[in-house]
Amino acid sequence: DAGVIQSPRHEVTEMGQEVTLRCKPISGHDYLFWYRQTMMRGLELLIYFNNNVPIDDSGMPEDRFSAKMPNASFSTLKIQPSEPRDSAVYFCASSVAGKLFFGSGTQLSVL
Amino acid sequence: AQSVTQLGSHVSVSEGALVLLRCNYSSSVPPYLFWYVQYPNQGLQLLLKYTTGATLVKGINGFEAEFKKSETSFHLTKPSAHMSDAAEYFCAVSSQGGSEKLVFGKGTKLTVNP
Repeated sequence: DAGVIQSPRHEVTEMGQEVTLRCKPISGHDYLFWYRQTMMRGLELLIYFNNNVPIDDSGMPEDRFSAKMPNASFSTLKIQPSEPRDSAVYFCASSVAGKLFFGSGTQLSVL
Repeated sequence: AQSVTQLGSHVSVSEGALVLLRCNYSSSVPPYLFWYVQYPNQGLQLLLKYTTGATLVKGINGFEAEFKKSETSFHLTKPSAHMSDAAEYFCAVSSQGGSEKLVFGKGTKLTVNP
C-alpha cells in the first residue's frame, strides 16, 4: 500500500486566493483526520471523519475552512479566502483499529 | 479536557547514550497514551502506545515507555541512542483506545551527536 497520499506537497499562494488540499487515505481505513502543524501551536486536530461522515469539526479555526469526504478514498480541505496566518503544514491521517497513519503533509505558504 | 506536557523542546545526547524524553499528561478519565516520531519532511509514525494492562510498553526501534499513573507520566526511553534516532518526538493522549481526538504535546526535538 502506498500509504496516505497528500497533494500538493507544497503550495504557495497569495492572500485571498482559494486553496484546496487533497488526501487519499489508506484503503480500508474508516477514520480520516486533518491536522495543522505550526511552530507556535504544534499539532492541532482540525476535523475528523468516520466512514466519510464528519464527526468533530470543533478544531476548524474559522468559516473560511471547510472539509469534505465525498467517498472513502478522497477528502479535501479548502481554505477560502486564504490568509498569511494559515501558513502551516497540513497533515492528513487515516486509521483503522486505533492505529494512525500520516501522510507527508502539504506545506502551505500564503503570501 | 486532556493535555500533554513534554518537558524540553530540545534534547541532545551522544551516540550510545541513554535517551530519555519526558511526557506528563492530564486526563479526567483513564488515558490512552502514545508516542509518535516525525522525521524531517515526513508525517508522524507511531512508536508505541499504552491502552491497558502492562505499564511498560515496548515499541519499534528499541524504544519503550512506562505508564506511571501516580506521576501522570509516560516517559520515552532508549538505552543506546543511534544517529538515526534524530527526529522530533510527540507524546499524545486520548480518552479512547483509538486515534479519535488525540491531543498532542508540542514535541521534543532529539539531536544525536557522534
